[in-house]
Amino acid sequence: RKEVEQDPGPFNVPEGATVAFNCTYSNSASQSFFWYRQDCRKEPKLLMSVYSSGNEDGRFTAQLNRASQYISLLIRDSKLSDSATYLCVVNENFNKFYFGSGTKLNVKP
Amino acid sequence: DAGVTQSPTHLIKTRGQQVTLRCSPKSGHDTVSWYQQALGQGPQFIFQYYEEEERQRGNFPDRFSGHQFPNYSSELNVNALLLGDSALYLCASSLGDSGETQYFGPGTRLLVL
Repeated sequence: RKEVEQDPGPFNVPEGATVAFNCTYSNSASQSFFWYRQDCRKEPKLLMSVYSSGNEDGRFTAQLNRASQYISLLIRDSKLSDSATYLCVVNENFNKFYFGSGTKLNVKP
Repeated sequence: DAGVTQSPTHLIKTRGQQVTLRCSPKSGHDTVSWYQQALGQGPQFIFQYYEEEERQRGNFPDRFSGHQFPNYSSELNVNALLLGDSALYLCASSLGDSGETQYFGPGTRLLVL
């Protein structure tokens, strides 16, 4: 069983759409959670940390459900520039970071 | 403010050879983690260095080893290269060893023939 699992997609959505990604993790003792964005052939870049209370950054909202061991990312009013692969990241014990395989998003004009 | 830098950017080796990849952390960071990213996959954690010691290790064989220097820069060494070692190798830096946010370098693309 993988530590972090994501739907690989791709999610093909029109500009302006709202899209949601989910990610599940296996270790209930995991400490912290993140969403990273990775453009083709580039390094991952931090999109946002995920807190138990949920957090929002502009068009992006992240939520954590510890009881069900899943993390979500909601993107509102999608832009062409949002096209990328979104990586869910779980930190299990302060020093070990596990990445999902990523969910690919294509935003179409 | 210098970000994470890695060298070389690309590398071609043959099976059985050895390779050394280098990473300089973001200014002010003291922790370096290494990841292997195969095509179409997410990064896989190799190991993390803090205070010049390996603090955590993922499921990688002993052919993968590393080092951290007093200036916090780090090296990843891979011995007896296999075709399956072909991947993007990413270095990430952070502050402290308490799971703070990691910032990635551009990576080194290794091709093993």
